[in-house]
Amino acid sequence: GAVVSQHPSWVICKSGTSVKIECRSLDFQATTMFWYRQFPKQSLMLMATSNEGSKATYEQGVEKDKFLINHASLTLSTLTVTSAHPEDSSFYICSARDPGQGAVTEAFFGQGTRLTVV
Amino acid sequence: AQSVTQLDSHVSVSEGTPVLLRCNYSSSYSPSLFWYVQHPNKGLQLLLKYTSAATLVKGINGFEAEFKKSETSFHLTKPSAHMSDAAEYFCVVSEGTYKYIFGTGTRLKVLA
Repeated sequence: GAVVSQHPSWVICKSGTSVKIECRSLDFQATTMFWYRQFPKQSLMLMATSNEGSKATYEQGVEKDKFLINHASLTLSTLTVTSAHPEDSSFYICSARDPGQGAVTEAFFGQGTRLTVV
Repeated sequence: AQSVTQLDSHVSVSEGTPVLLRCNYSSSYSPSLFWYVQHPNKGLQLLLKYTSAATLVKGINGFEAEFKKSETSFHLTKPSAHMSDAAEYFCVVSEGTYKYIFGTGTRLKVLA
């Protein structure tokens, strides 16, 4: 299947700093990528849909200025957690679909990024 | 609106015994349904998918699921559990071409 690579796999940062997480589609072009957040022992919640060349679409309740998304190329989307606070500590996962496989395909997920804000 | 309900938050089975993870969905249209597995601090791996073809879907690692429209169910089964199956399992519904709705997950524990 298609491969989605996410980096870093874990990061620890100080409160008030910003952290950037990268999501890459390695063997396909993804016009759309998705960012999820997962709290401990809970399900994945969609945060935003990243659209190549245009603004991201955020889900209700997600702060746009807090979670900056950039999708500058067909293979890379980035999520920047700005002015991070301990409550932003979570597991962040990106995904993408391979449009070359047809209209309805499964999404491929990155390995996830464990963010800890101290 | 679409939604998915995983009926059990935790399931424990003995190694070598059958596994049943239950999932019910709600959808206005013909949905696509997926099962993903997540090991601790890892991403998600697709086990199988239903996209309006055969109602009995076979996936990887011996898992399979049956789409039952009359019951709006998509339960995941495996004849014989292995220790390596211990993980979190998510049932997912998708109506459109991109948006996924995740169930709350079922943690499978396999006892030796």
